[in-house]
Order: sequence, then C-alpha cells, then structure tokens
Amino acid sequence: NAGVTQTPKFRVLKTGQSMTLLCAQDMNHEYMYWYRQDPGMGLRLIHYSVGEGTTAKGEVPDGYNVSRLKKQNFLLGLESAAPSQTSVYFCASTVDGGQPQHFGDGTRLSIL
Amino acid sequence: AQSVTQPDIHITVSEGASLELRCNYSYGATPYLFWYVQSPGQGLQLLLKYFSGDTLVQGIKGFEAEFKRSQSSFNLRKPSVHWSDAAEYFCAVGYSSASKIIFGSGTRLSIRP
Repeated sequence: NAGVTQTPKFRVLKTGQSMTLLCAQDMNHEYMYWYRQDPGMGLRLIHYSVGEGTTAKGEVPDGYNVSRLKKQNFLLGLESAAPSQTSVYFCASTVDGGQPQHFGDGTRLSIL
Repeated sequence: AQSVTQPDIHITVSEGASLELRCNYSYGATPYLFWYVQSPGQGLQLLLKYFSGDTLVQGIKGFEAEFKRSQSSFNLRKPSVHWSDAAEYFCAVGYSSASKIIFGSGTRLSIRP
C-alpha cells in the first residue's frame, strides 16, 4: 500500500526552467492538495482539487499551475521557475475535504 | 475566517518530562480537529483526530488531546516524552462539507537529554 507518492524527491533547477511535480495516490481519494513548506511559515496551500477534472486556487497559487486529468494523479507545474519557489513541496489526499489528509514524503526543490 | 493558532514556535523539554502543546482555533461550528507530526525530512503523519463524542482522544505513540469547546482549544499531551518525539507538530481544523482543512503554523519540539 503505497499511499501518496511524490516524484521526484529532489530537484535542482535554474531560474526560468520549467518542471512538473507528480503526485499519485492509490486510495481512490477525491480530494488532492499541493502545499509548500518554508522555514517558519508552516504549510501553505498552493492549489487543490475536489475531484477528477477540477482544480482550485489556494492561498499562494501565483507561479504554479495544476492538472487533475486522472483521479489518482495531481500534477503541479512551474512554467518559469524563480528562486522564490525554492521550497519543500508536499502533496496530500483525502476522501473528503473535512477529513484527515494523507501526505507524501515531499519534493525538495532548489531554484538557482 | 477560520484560523488555527499554535502560540509556541519552539519548545524544549527534558526526556521523561511531560509535554503539552497548545492549539486554539477560531470557528463557529463544531470543528473536526487533528494533530499531525512531522519528523525531519518526512511528510506529515496523523497522530490523532476528534470528530465528536468523548472530548479526550487517544492517538498513536502515546499522545492524547483534549477538546475544550469553551476555550476553543485542542491541546496535545504526552505524560513522558522520548528522544524520538523530537519533531514538528501541527494542529489542524476541518469541518463537515469543507473542501480543505486549516493548519496551524506548527510547534517544533526539541528533547533535552
């Protein structure tokens, strides 16, 4: 039982490059989330999805795009990476929005 | 707007001592309440949850939390901490029909040998 799997685990990018972070869950959850975690700032919600084909903005959506083409996958894209996007990114999923979320182990992203 | 406050950014306790981490929330309806733990380099793991009923809930790793409606609090406790409890702890609030839960900013716990 893999739960929530994030790929890649680590990545270094140059400013202006693009990349996609993949989140996959095998629990048939409807809701999925992308957070970023920075020192002293807790978890900040970037985007989320309440079901296949849906996406919504969180509190820090600028510079990111997402897609939920399949129920089990939630992709986070950086079109033109900036040093301010250096962070640890976490994906989470849950059966219902008010219920506990299951987290992946994170992707550590550095933008030079 | 709903909010969650963890007033302690960093707490240090001696191994074997008791622990209480504070959490206050701001929300009008009956909340769902959660505590998560994050070990270094890891994702968040659910410690315990409260939906309704008994206001004292037991979780994994010997932790418990008590919901006090009158104080809008959901404090996390452990009678005797172990060095392996050193981690960051997050309180979170959700509610029925919500699309997401709200996380506090976290409390980092250090253990003194």
